[in-house]
This record gives sequence, structure tokens and C-alpha cells, in this order.
Amino acid sequence: DTGVSQNPRHKITKRGQNVTFRCDPISEHNRLYWYRQTLGQGPEFLTYFQNEAQLEKSRLLSDRFSAERPKGSFSTLEIQRTEQGDSAMYLCASSPDSFYEQYFGPGTRLTVT
Amino acid sequence: DQQVKQNSPSLSVQEGRISILNCDYTNSMFDYFLWYKKYPAEGPTFLISISSIKDKNEDGRFTVFLNKSAKHLSLHIVPSQPGDSAVYFCAASEETGGGNKLTFGTGTQLKVEL
Repeated sequence: DTGVSQNPRHKITKRGQNVTFRCDPISEHNRLYWYRQTLGQGPEFLTYFQNEAQLEKSRLLSDRFSAERPKGSFSTLEIQRTEQGDSAMYLCASSPDSFYEQYFGPGTRLTVT
Repeated sequence: DQQVKQNSPSLSVQEGRISILNCDYTNSMFDYFLWYKKYPAEGPTFLISISSIKDKNEDGRFTVFLNKSAKHLSLHIVPSQPGDSAVYFCAASEETGGGNKLTFGTGTQLKVEL
């Protein structure tokens, strides 16, 4: 059990560029969640996968955001045409079925200049 | 509309004393509550949790109390140690699409001084 991993850890991009983040959950965790955290705030829910199915999306997830979990293992979060307001820490978490506790990765810090 | 509130942005206590961190919520649909600890440049780490049908859960130095009628929970750390210095987030869980969406408070920065 190596924990949840996220890559890259840091990403600096120019406004208007596309970025993609990867999350590798704890093996055999069927549930995978994405959150976003801005300065001075707690993490905010973005989306949830049960295996490969995306079952819930927050209204925070605009049309420029898309997430996938194609084989029910790792997940990617893509942001198209980035804006300065997208600058945040993007956190991924996973859990087994029927578990309330979620286990978080270290996050990807995105800076849009 | 903040459904989970941590009204104290910071708390300072002396080593060996009790730390009490508070959290209030407004959504009656929350069925489980969790505390996470976060160090800089790391993701949140799960600390302790409590079901909405219980009023207390204890794990070593950490105890969480839930007052459902007041929609209030608290985390007690005793005795406090310097390694406990971190940001503590209260989170509340509600069912969503078969999973559990967490709603977090804004966090309390705990500093344990020697």
C-alpha cells in the first residue's frame, strides 16, 4: 500500500493553455474523488468515480474541466483554456466501497500566470 | 452558503494541555463527520471520525464529540504535543451517487508551544 499518488506535484502554465493531472489511487479502492483547495479554504468537492463511472459532478466543474477514469484505476483531470481563477491545489482521494474515510494524495499545485 | 464552519482560524496551546477545536454544521443530511490534519505541502491526513448516531469516539489522545441537536462537533487532543501543530479540517459526509461527498470547513491552525 503506497498511498494515493498525484503527478505532477506542481504545474505552472500560461493563461489559455490546457493542463492535465494524474491521480493513482490506493490499489483496490473503487471510489475516487477530486477536490480543489484555494488559499484559506477547505477542499471543495469536484467529482466522484465509482470504478470507471463518473457518478457525481459539482457545479464548480465548468465545461472547461473534464475527468476520466478509463479502466477504473488511475484518473486524469484536464482543464482546458486555463484561467487565473483556476490556480489552486487539486487533490485526489480514494476509498474502498462502504467506507466514509477518504485517503488523500499530496495534491497538484496549479499556478496560472 | 458555508455548510461546515470552523470559526476559529487559529489556536495556540501549551504542550501537555488540552486542545479543543470546534466545528458547526447546518445540513441535516450529513451522516458522518471526520477530522483531517494537514501539514504544509501535503494532502489532508485522516485523523478520526464519528457517525451521526453516536456522540463520542475516542482514539488514543484524540476524542471527537458530536452534539447533533446543536449541530456541533469538537475535537479534543490531550495531552497536546508539538507534533500536533498543523491545520485541522472538520469534514461532513453526505451520500452522493452511491459515494460520499465531503464538505470541509475552512480549517483551524493549531500551534502547540513548548
